[in-house]
Amino acid sequence: DVKVTQSSRYLVKRTGEKVFLECVQDMDHENMFWYRQDPGLGLRLIYFSYDVKMKEKGDIPEGYSVSREKKERFSLILESASTNQTSMYLCASTGGDRGRETQYFGPGTRLLVL
Amino acid sequence: DAKTTQPTSMDCAEGRAANLPCNHSTISGNEYVYWYRQIHSQGPQYIIHGLKNNETNEMASLIITEDRKSSTLILPHATLRDTAVYYCIVSPDTGRRALTFGSGTRLQVQP
Repeated sequence: DVKVTQSSRYLVKRTGEKVFLECVQDMDHENMFWYRQDPGLGLRLIYFSYDVKMKEKGDIPEGYSVSREKKERFSLILESASTNQTSMYLCASTGGDRGRETQYFGPGTRLLVL
Repeated sequence: DAKTTQPTSMDCAEGRAANLPCNHSTISGNEYVYWYRQIHSQGPQYIIHGLKNNETNEMASLIITEDRKSSTLILPHATLRDTAVYYCIVSPDTGRRALTFGSGTRLQVQP
């Protein structure tokens, strides 16, 4: 079974702190994604990566950065956490036969910024 | 990506089949129909997807109409653990494209 893991299920941070969210997948997937999910706003793409050391901005990259030094690991960094970054953060990776790829999600990290 | 329309909520008795409809009348020829679900406070879970033919896996069956303008996800024997929000998405592929969930259908399985 595909496994996507995230470093924390719940996290509480203070405004201004630097926050690292880690995501690891064990299926040798090339594509990885970071989303945030908020009530009434659905899923919004923050960043994605097609390969090691490659990254592309999604719809809402402001206030975030990412790192992909190894294929299996995709990290999301909040440079200086703010209260409006309180959210559920979801990591996903893509696998399957070409043309039939599906996204597999991690369990999510619920971040509270005080 | 084409827009989808789903009922806001549905109830189903435990052990019975749950049939969740989705309308996607503007679907393009190269777009697949994907179904995901999200159990409260968890990450979305992929269920099934198809292009034209009906599909079945260990979780569910997907029935796509001949004109591809609508589809139905069938959970053959619903359990309490199937209570979740179910999302229908149409997309050429989700390999390199962000997923966009609509509001989905909230399925409540009743004991």
